[in-house]
Amino acid sequence: DIQMTQSPSSVSASVGDRVTVTCRASQDISIWLAWYQQKPGKAPNLLIYSASSLQSGVPSRFSGRGSGTDFTLTISSLQPEDFATYYCQQAHTFPLTFGGGTKVEIK
Amino acid sequence: EVQLLESGGGLVQPGGSLRLSCAASGFTFSSYAMSWFRQAPGKGLEWVSAISGGGGNTYYADSVEGRFSISRDNSENTLYLQLSSLRAEDTAVYSCAKVRTGATFLVWGSAIFDSWGRGTLVTVSS
Repeated sequence: DIQMTQSPSSVSASVGDRVTVTCRASQDISIWLAWYQQKPGKAPNLLIYSASSLQSGVPSRFSGRGSGTDFTLTISSLQPEDFATYYCQQAHTFPLTFGGGTKVEIK
Repeated sequence: EVQLLESGGGLVQPGGSLRLSCAASGFTFSSYAMSWFRQAPGKGLEWVSAISGGGGNTYYADSVEGRFSISRDNSENTLYLQLSSLRAEDTAVYSCAKVRTGATFLVWGSAIFDSWGRGTLVTVSS
């Protein structure tokens, strides 16, 4: 199975800050990676697919980069509605696997 | 608007069975592959099972292989997950999700999900 390692597990930031989350795959997954945002008690929301493509309706302050084994999700200017948990998911091979999540908290 | 509504969760004893349903609307159900995920209380997301649009191809996580069975009724726009031989570690909120594009998982990167239901809670306890 492909292991997905996210870091950090949590980050404290202020509104307006730039936040970067990292996801590392245990083997080459090309660009087949997605990022999701999840708020407490809510369903996950797709932000980025194919490593860097912005899902329709997602604000442009979200961006993704990477290929192979190393990927990043960046929020360029954190907004109050962005405080949530973020997950990466590899879409290269079954079984599908997720990173452990990164909780973005208010500083 | 895409809507996915899960039902069928509840309290079940270890070794018991349950059938979950996911009622879909707002899109051509048979044209999209679907999947089940779960999230244990306070934990992260875990993929459980997936099925192609026509229902002919199914996929399972090792942790549920042989115990869970995914199916779909395209005439009723409904996805199912049959859970059996349940264990305490199966306790979680189970959610269904629709792929972003396509009816199969045979295309690279197709297993990305753009619509999710809110989930139904399964509790396995004596």
